[in-house]
Amino acid sequence: AQSVTQLDSHVSVSEGTPVLLRCNYSSSYSPSLFWYVQHPNKGLQLLLKYTSAATLVKGINGFEAEFKKSETSFHLTKPSAHMSDAAEYFCVVSDLAGRRALTFGSGTRLQVQP
Amino acid sequence: NAGVTQTPKFRILKIGQSMTLQCTQDMNHNYMYWYRQDPGMGLKLIYYSVGAGITDKGEVPNGYNVSRSTTEDFPLRLELAAPSQTSVYFCASSDRVQNTGELFFGEGSRLTVL
Repeated sequence: AQSVTQLDSHVSVSEGTPVLLRCNYSSSYSPSLFWYVQHPNKGLQLLLKYTSAATLVKGINGFEAEFKKSETSFHLTKPSAHMSDAAEYFCVVSDLAGRRALTFGSGTRLQVQP
Repeated sequence: NAGVTQTPKFRILKIGQSMTLQCTQDMNHNYMYWYRQDPGMGLKLIYYSVGAGITDKGEVPNGYNVSRSTTEDFPLRLELAAPSQTSVYFCASSDRVQNTGELFFGEGSRLTVL
């Protein structure tokens, strides 16, 4: 079984300040982990993915995440928030051993204040 | 390049009515999925398919049916609509050969049952 816990349902930052969105996971297999972003009334877009290569993963729009097996964490960070980063972010674990379906966290809504 | 296309984007149903949400992808992906997203929640898997002629239940299949007669199409049918099925529905696909677990999403279908 696999699961994902996003530790914050809402995060608010000021434009130009760092972003930290926290995610812990549980998986019976060597997991593949993803962050997806969803802008209002849009579908989900892949931000970045970890698939057992480098533990520090760089994604689009300046985001990155670090896979820490000892802490079972996959936190998303960005050095400097932009107004366009305001969206819902989902941490996701993939079941590569079976149906390859994704298990989603409940999401973190990022608000960026001017 | 269309990717994953869902229709309709919006629909209002009365209790007990039936309808089909259409999903088609042009990436020749073997795997296809239907998810539902309720307010403040992550996505829940309804049904998935690993290839034409093969479908299986996800976490929340009750009240839904699917078919997969071609690689491209994966329609989702609601037989007797209930208010609990008010949600946003996302279709997604993934590539078995690449095997990264990344899903490609449609833009969603917003369904309201009154």
